[in-house]
Amino acid sequence: DTAVSQTPKYLVTQMGNDKSIKCEQNLGHDTMYWYKQDSKKFLKIMFSYNNKELIINETVPNRFSPKSPDKAHLNLHINSLELGDSAVYFCASSQDRLPPREQYFGPGTRLTVT
Amino acid sequence: GENVEQHPSTLSVQEGDSAVIKCTYSDSASNYFPWYKQELGKRPQLIIDIRSNVGEKKDQRIAVTLNKTAKHFSLHITETQPEDSAVYFCAASMIGNQFYFGTGTSLTVIP
Repeated sequence: DTAVSQTPKYLVTQMGNDKSIKCEQNLGHDTMYWYKQDSKKFLKIMFSYNNKELIINETVPNRFSPKSPDKAHLNLHINSLELGDSAVYFCASSQDRLPPREQYFGPGTRLTVT
Repeated sequence: GENVEQHPSTLSVQEGDSAVIKCTYSDSASNYFPWYKQELGKRPQLIIDIRSNVGEKKDQRIAVTLNKTAKHFSLHITETQPEDSAVYFCAASMIGNQFYFGTGTSLTVIP
């Protein structure tokens, strides 16, 4: 019955590795997002996808790439991981219609790069 | 693009007192203003929202006010309880579902 789910919940890996985080929503929403939350708790938008089209990319390094196989999934791939990538990554989704609606967040993935 | 500022960054209140968190936004096209609460180790969750055609909205101990002219909106929590302790985020959104979040306020309610 989970609305937005992410896997894995925790991810510990070494510098230079490539990893992926998966996100799925069962709400029938049109738009999905990825956020990075650092140790200061800032929520930084990384990407959003609307009907498989990237519509936001906020100066994120190209080592990060979102991939959306279908409307219910938005996965995050990270290449050549760096120490500064350590953070909690949240997936979210919302319905793309007027007026704007709330975003539903996933439980988060805590990424630790050693 | 939109710029959302949030103050204060930390707030401590005694149990039973009120807490107020303020946000300002820059783009007059923003028309939806949600507030999210994030408890330690949990996901952000919507607690209340307001649209640009409304000046105030209440839900039990929580209220939000919006001043479109001044481009600011505030979250008011009355009769605070220890379980209100969390990080609170404001956000502004407009057509296209682009959300812009504030930098968060860490609220501590002291028993």
